[in-house]
Amino acid sequence: DGGITQSPKYLFRKEGQNVTLSCEQNLNHDAMYWYRQDPGQGLRLIYYSQIVNDFQKGDIAEGYSVSREKKESFPLTVTSAQKNPTAFYLCASKWTETSTDTQYFGPGTRLTVL
Amino acid sequence: DAKTTQPNSMESNEEEPVHLPCNHSTISGTDYIHWYRQLPSQGPEYVIHGLTSNVNNRMASLAIAEDRKSSTLILHRATLRDAAVYYCILRDGLNNAGNMLTFGGGTRLMVKP
Repeated sequence: DGGITQSPKYLFRKEGQNVTLSCEQNLNHDAMYWYRQDPGQGLRLIYYSQIVNDFQKGDIAEGYSVSREKKESFPLTVTSAQKNPTAFYLCASKWTETSTDTQYFGPGTRLTVL
Repeated sequence: DAKTTQPNSMESNEEEPVHLPCNHSTISGTDYIHWYRQLPSQGPEYVIHGLTSNVNNRMASLAIAEDRKSSTLILHRATLRDAAVYYCILRDGLNNAGNMLTFGGGTRLMVKP
């Protein structure tokens, strides 16, 4: 089945530790995105990538890093520099060759800092 | 991208139609109107989108005002599984730089049995 997967579903981290969230898609989408969602809030864009080996900062990139070595993978690292990392993290992907911008989202990873 | 305004929450009875409004008074001629919904503890899912004409699909209908300054998402027969946060988003069809979607607070739909 085609789709976008995120792992793990729940992640616990101690303060001061870096942690990497996985995002994989087999939809052959060019663009991939990472969003952060806090309780009761909308989504905020962290990073996005429109092509392999290239990515751009979103609205809240500080304390995060990404890589895009393969088309199907876009891992997000939450570094110790992120002051308040506890949140729900969502990955999305889409084709770039369309003007209608339908994004497909993964199931999310809930990160809790202990 | 232009901004949208939605009510924070709405209630509906099961098996009744639901009309979710969205105001976008600063919409430009090339902005598409997208609707996504997010069920509890899940990622958002695409519902429907349109430019000028009303649109129907298996999930919902989208009614777009003639001046395009507002739109309404219509769920013809609400079920308990439709309880979710519904986001109305504008996206410029000509500006593909980044192709990001800007999610506001959305409308939390509660469905009563």
